[in-house]
Amino acid sequence: DIQMTQSPSSLSASVGDRVTITCRASQNINSYLNWYQQKPGKAPKVLIYAASSLQSGVPSRFSGSGSGTDFTLTISSLQPEDFATYYCQQSSTSPLSFGGGTKVEIK
Amino acid sequence: QVQLQESGPGLVKPSQTLSLTCTVSGGSISDARYYWSWIRQPAGRGLEWIGRIYSSGSSHYNPSLESRVSMSVDTSKNQFALTLSSVTAADTAMYYCARDVFIMLRGVPTNWFDPWGQGILVTVSS
Repeated sequence: DIQMTQSPSSLSASVGDRVTITCRASQNINSYLNWYQQKPGKAPKVLIYAASSLQSGVPSRFSGSGSGTDFTLTISSLQPEDFATYYCQQSSTSPLSFGGGTKVEIK
Repeated sequence: QVQLQESGPGLVKPSQTLSLTCTVSGGSISDARYYWSWIRQPAGRGLEWIGRIYSSGSSHYNPSLESRVSMSVDTSKNQFALTLSSVTAADTAMYYCARDVFIMLRGVPTNWFDPWGQGILVTVSS
């Protein structure tokens, strides 16, 4: 099975900050990497698919990059509504698997 | 716009079978572009993919649960279902259903989950 490791597990940031979250796969997954945002008490919502494609309706301050084993989600200017937990997910090989999550908190 | 809604018992006794249904509205479960997945999340923890099913009934499960999981689809009701047998406290979680989107992107098949249902909390306890 492919293990997905996210770092950091949590971070504190201020509105307007640039935030970067990393995700590492235990083996090559090409660009089969998706990013989700989950707010408390809500279901996850896809932000980025195929490593760098922005889902329709998602603000352009979100971007994704990477391929192979190392991936990054960047929020260019953190907004109040972006405080949430973010998960990466590989769709390369079954069983599909998620990272452990990164909680973005208000500093 | 497509919406998914989970339903079923919120409390299941240990060793019994958990049964959930996901109702799809605003779109057809028979749409050839999509699979339909179940994902769960224990409280305060990460996400675990349980498995997926196609409208034809073809299914694929996470090997960690495969011996206890079964999925089915009812195209006449636009629903798909999950059963998980011999449950224990470790199966206590929020259970989500989700549409499994497949596309060809730059000549390569790729997929992601969108949208998700709101989730249903299932507690395993006597």
